[in-house]
Amino acid sequence: AQRVTQPEKLLSVFKGAPVELKCNYSYSGSPELFWYVQYSRQRLQLLLRHISRESIKGFTADLNKGETSFHLKKPFAQEEDSAMYYCALRGEAAGNKLTFGGGTRVLVKP
Amino acid sequence: DTAVSQTPKYLVTQMGNDKSIKCEQNLGHDTMYWYKQDSKKFLKIMFSYNNKELIINETVPNRFSPKSPDKAHLNLHINSLELGDSAVYFCASKGVGSPLHFGNGTRLTVT
Repeated sequence: AQRVTQPEKLLSVFKGAPVELKCNYSYSGSPELFWYVQYSRQRLQLLLRHISRESIKGFTADLNKGETSFHLKKPFAQEEDSAMYYCALRGEAAGNKLTFGGGTRVLVKP
Repeated sequence: DTAVSQTPKYLVTQMGNDKSIKCEQNLGHDTMYWYKQDSKKFLKIMFSYNNKELIINETVPNRFSPKSPDKAHLNLHINSLELGDSAVYFCASKGVGSPLHFGNGTRLTVT
């Protein structure tokens, strides 16, 4: 079974402060990890995937297989970063099912 | 051009009614999905179709019936709507090696 846990439902930070969203996963094989973002009343959009190892909108995430984590970080949060963030995992099972964590709402205050 | 489009955007209906949500993708993807986002923002997969064939069915009540007339379309029909069906329903599609592309969502309110 594959499972994704985002322990924080809400993260509130001031503009310019660092922000880190935690994501832990449970999967016995080699997973693919993603971060999706949903701005207010919009569609979910892919933010990052671990295989790309890139920085998008200042966000980075490193897959730590030892700790089974894929935390999302940004050193200086901006107001436009306020959104719902979902960590997601895709295993090797049939159907390529993407399992989402419960989501973390980020609120960046001015 | 919208890659994954869902209609309608909003749907308000009474308990007991039957309703459908349509989804179309123009990305040439082989796999399409329906996800449900509840009031607490939890996202859960409901169905997945690959080339018109059902491959994932996640313990969804029989009142929900997906239909895929071709690989570019995946519609969701819901019978005998209940209050608990109120949610945002997202359609998504995926090609080989690509991430999921989501539609804008359909906000269903059952009164």
